[in-house]
Amino acid sequence: SQELEQSPQSLIVQEGKNLTINCTSSKTLYGLYWYKQKYGEGLIFLMMLQKGGEEKSHEKITAKLDEKKQQSSLHITASQPSHAGIYLCGAGYRGSNYKLTFGKGTLLTVNP
Amino acid sequence: NAGVTQTPKFQVLKTGQSMTLQCAQDMNHEYMSWYRQDPGMGLRLIHYSVGAGITDQGEVPNGYNVSRSTTEDFPLRLLSAAPSQTSVYFCASSLDSSGRAAGYTFGSGTRLTVV
Repeated sequence: SQELEQSPQSLIVQEGKNLTINCTSSKTLYGLYWYKQKYGEGLIFLMMLQKGGEEKSHEKITAKLDEKKQQSSLHITASQPSHAGIYLCGAGYRGSNYKLTFGKGTLLTVNP
Repeated sequence: NAGVTQTPKFQVLKTGQSMTLQCAQDMNHEYMSWYRQDPGMGLRLIHYSVGAGITDQGEVPNGYNVSRSTTEDFPLRLLSAAPSQTSVYFCASSLDSSGRAAGYTFGSGTRLTVV
């Protein structure tokens, strides 16, 4: 079974709408990373969360870590076409926190 | 700064051929790793290195070799290419093995097709 589950797998929203992507781990998290990938390109680091309850923002993107649920949510406010791409979460686990495990990604389409 | 540079960007190989994917970083990062990305499978770790002279296997190491003779370079060698190795390969680096400082910096990828 997948250690890191992302949902939804894909998402189509109208420009200006808010959206949330979730990432749930089956094991205790040591660190949770969010990346964005545009088609045919590499991964761009967005933010890293480590402590339960931690919340970070990058422009209009906010991510939170729920330690009890071992889950992180990524929220985009007032989406724009520039937000389109694949969002990936990566997790580090105690004892192997540098060997990142990735979710399968969420494909976000923002229609103008 | 160039960041993480991967070459080539595209490559087509015949089954049984060997080749080396190059990865270089100019950020003096200790930690470097190779991932492959396949549809429906996400990113999977092939090999990683926590410093010059030190390498270890990741989740899917079979068919690949690595070495780390310098801090800057971490080449990935395909010994005898197979169609199952058709994938997009990413090299990543971070300042330390925790990656906490600034996350992991990824290269732009090498798209490999084995026919």
